[in-house]
Amino acid sequence: KAGVTQTPRYLIKTRGQQVTLSCSPISGHRSVSWYQQTPGQGLQFLFEYFSETQRNKGNFPGRFSGRQFSNSRSEMNVSTLELGDSALYLCASSSFGDTEAFFGQGTRLTVV
Amino acid sequence: GENVEQHPSTLSVQEGDSAVIKCTYSDSASNYFPWYKQELGKRPQLIIDIRSNVGEKKDQRIAVTLNKTAKHFSLHITETQPEDSAVYFCAARSTSGTYKYIFGTGTRLKVLA
Repeated sequence: KAGVTQTPRYLIKTRGQQVTLSCSPISGHRSVSWYQQTPGQGLQFLFEYFSETQRNKGNFPGRFSGRQFSNSRSEMNVSTLELGDSALYLCASSSFGDTEAFFGQGTRLTVV
Repeated sequence: GENVEQHPSTLSVQEGDSAVIKCTYSDSASNYFPWYKQELGKRPQLIIDIRSNVGEKKDQRIAVTLNKTAKHFSLHITETQPEDSAVYFCAARSTSGTYKYIFGTGTRLKVLA
């Protein structure tokens, strides 16, 4: 069974631009969550989607948004990029009723 | 708000010694506590987890203990090996209809050969 796939793996963007990251969950998993990982801050929760509905949102500005499609694939978008948005963005998928979250390899975003 | 504190932030042990990492959570509704290991440049991977109706769980050299009253849980690694060197994250989650995990800030474990 294929794991969680995130694309692209690396991105370099300029301040003020916007970016879209993609996450394909494990087949059959309907829950997708996104996390921002920075040195010293650990993993901070961005949002969670289940069956195309956002169930939870973390304490991030409105520049961070996401969505989930009917095939459970999810995208997150960051508009008006700031230097502080440079981070590893991880998504995790879970199956209904299961508690383990399986992580993707992440997308390393660098804002210059 | 929801918070998980994790200590220490770095830990160095000699090969063969034990390592202990401690976490404290704030949300009383939390009832699932996983531990993830993240090697350099790789994704976090679950190494052990515990649910709130259990006080201790062991898997070979790894064990986790949970004190719900004190809202503490700990990871114990015995007979450490160089391949145990990684960053370890604890997390807490309420299983009531959400998959939102609150993570600790991580512990960088170095096992010295």
